[in-house]
Amino acid sequence: AQRVTQPEKLLSVFKGAPVELKCNYSYSGSPELFWYVQYSRQRLQLLLRHISRESIKGFTADLNKGETSFHLKKPFAQEEDSAMYYCALSPTSNTGKLIFGQGTTLQVKP
Amino acid sequence: DADVTQTPRNRITKTGKRIMLECSQTKGHDRMYWYRQDPGLGLRLIYYSFDVKDINKGEISDGYSVSRQAQAKFSLSLESAIPNQTALYFCATQGRTLEGYTFGSGTRLTVV
Repeated sequence: AQRVTQPEKLLSVFKGAPVELKCNYSYSGSPELFWYVQYSRQRLQLLLRHISRESIKGFTADLNKGETSFHLKKPFAQEEDSAMYYCALSPTSNTGKLIFGQGTTLQVKP
Repeated sequence: DADVTQTPRNRITKTGKRIMLECSQTKGHDRMYWYRQDPGLGLRLIYYSFDVKDINKGEISDGYSVSRQAQAKFSLSLESAIPNQTALYFCATQGRTLEGYTFGSGTRLTVV
C-alpha cells in the first residue's frame, strides 16, 4: 500500500536548535516526494521537492531509498519556522495525485 | 487576487442539508483536486479532475460529488451532510508540468 508516515504530531525545539522532521514512505516504485508547509492562517504551500534538490528557507531534505525516508532538516531553527509541515508522495510521475502524511506541527520556542 | 479561490470560507450547516463548496482558479491549470484535512489524519483526496471531461474518485469519495463546470471551476457537493463531514476542505490546482500544487485558503465546514 502507498503510505506516508510522519511519526511526530508535535515537535518542539528552541530557537537556534537543529530540526529534523521525520517522513517515511511505503511505495514500491520510484516516488516523487514533497514537503508542504502551512503557516498560521495561511494556505498550504510547497516548501521543496526532492527532484529539484533545493534548499528553501534553510531547509533541506534527502531522499533515502534504502530507508524509504525523506526527512526535513534545518541546522538552526527560527521562530518563524513554526508551522504545520506535511510530507507528500506522488506515486507515479504521470498522475499528479499526492498522498499526504498526517502532518507535524513544529513549534520553535524563543 | 488569489490564484485559487474557495467559497465560502466558513460554513455551518445542518445534518441532511445539501451544500456546495466552490473553487475557482486563474492559474490556467488543467488539474484540480479536492482534499479534506482532519487533525491527525492529514489531507485525504476526495475527487480530482485532469480536465473538464475527466473526473476521478479519490480515496474518500463516498458522500461527495463534484462538478467541473469549466477549466477554472471545480465544485464539491455534499448531497446530505453528516457530522463526520465536519472538516477543513482544500481545493488545489496543478499544471501539466506536474509541479507542486497551488492550494486555496480552505473552507471550514461544520455539520451540526
